[in-house]
Amino acid sequence: DAGVIQSPRHEVTEMGQEVTLRCKPISGHNSLFWYRQTMMRGLELLIYFNNNVPIDDSGMPEDRFSAKMPNASFSTLKIQPSEPRDSAVYFCASRWDDAFGSGTRLTVV
Amino acid sequence: GENVEQHPSTLSVQEGDSAVIKCTYSDSASNYFPWYKQELGKGPQLIIDIRSNVGEKKDQRIAVTLNKTAKHFSLHITETQPEDSAVYFCAASIWGAQKLVFGQGTRLTINP
Repeated sequence: DAGVIQSPRHEVTEMGQEVTLRCKPISGHNSLFWYRQTMMRGLELLIYFNNNVPIDDSGMPEDRFSAKMPNASFSTLKIQPSEPRDSAVYFCASRWDDAFGSGTRLTVV
Repeated sequence: GENVEQHPSTLSVQEGDSAVIKCTYSDSASNYFPWYKQELGKGPQLIIDIRSNVGEKKDQRIAVTLNKTAKHFSLHITETQPEDSAVYFCAASIWGAQKLVFGQGTRLTINP
């Protein structure tokens, strides 16, 4: 089992650009969680899905953030337009308490 | 909502010594307390957890204790080794609620 796979590992973009982060959960897991990690705020849950359906998006900071899970093996987190304060490491996990990917380090300049 | 405080933010110990990291939580309904180890460039890895129906749990060199009355729980690592160097996070949740609240993390350094 390859574990949770996230891409890209690093992303540098200019302010105002659209950014799309990708996640492939562990096969057979029916949940997916998106987290953001910053020095100031630590690890925060943004949104989670059960059986491809968004259950709780109360952690999504602004309307600029959106997430989709079109099927059981793929999810995206999109930021449009991006801002420097969105710079963080974004993780997805396919269990509510475990199975984290290695993250995408996003830098918005 | 739940609030989790973690101390210390950094901890440096000599190899072979013990390390203790402490967390407090605010919501008395929380009943599940996992601990995570995060190495550089990787996601958090669940290393041990404890539920509120027990006061202590041990797994080789790692142990967790829970005091529900005082709303605090601790991670104990004995006979520390260089590979224990990492950032450790505590978290609190209601089992099954699918939402974790994390502490701010402790950077543990093991000095050879």
